[in-house]
Amino acid sequence: RKEVEQDPGPFNVPEGATVAFNCTYSNSASQSFFWYRQDCRKEPKLLMSVYSSGNEDGRFTAQLNRASQYISLLIRDSKLSDSATYLCVVNRYGGGYQKVTFGTGTKLQVIP
Amino acid sequence: EADIYQTPRYLVIGTGKKITLECSQTMGHDKMYWYQQDPGMELHLIHYSYGVNSTEKGDLSSESTVSRIRTEHFPLTLESARPSHTSQYLCASSEFGTSGVKRGFEQFFGPGTRLTVL
Repeated sequence: RKEVEQDPGPFNVPEGATVAFNCTYSNSASQSFFWYRQDCRKEPKLLMSVYSSGNEDGRFTAQLNRASQYISLLIRDSKLSDSATYLCVVNRYGGGYQKVTFGTGTKLQVIP
Repeated sequence: EADIYQTPRYLVIGTGKKITLECSQTMGHDKMYWYQQDPGMELHLIHYSYGVNSTEKGDLSSESTVSRIRTEHFPLTLESARPSHTSQYLCASSEFGTSGVKRGFEQFFGPGTRLTVL
């Protein structure tokens, strides 16, 4: 089983729709969580961190459920420019050690 | 905007050549990483470093080697390039962020080097 799993999609949604992605992780010792966005043939860029209390940045809301070991990303009022691959990232660290694991990504296509 | 640079951006080279992919960051980050990514596929960590004179192999076995003599510089070397090495190579660095919605070990990525070995 992979340490981080995502539905690869693609998710094809109309402009203005709300779309949600989940990402599950297998190691309960994981400590920090992120969503990155990667455009086609570009480098990944940090979208937002994910906290147990949930956090929001404009149209984007991230949630963490430690009990069920998943994180989610909700995008409201989808724009054409939201079309990209969304990568889930999980970190474990301590005592100078850090393990960063990227998910395979979920592809989103927003259609007019 | 992140200050992490990779050169060259594109490289087409013949089999058997030795190549070095450069990566530099001006943010003073201790941690640096090399990833390999084929088009439309997932990122694979091939090397990482926690600081000067520290290098470790990542999850994906790679014939490349790395060095970390200076904090800001993390070059990757292939002694003898082969067609199977054709891929995109992404360098990243990280710190522990403390503000806003981007707290934690966020990684900043360079623009990547697209390597083609003929």
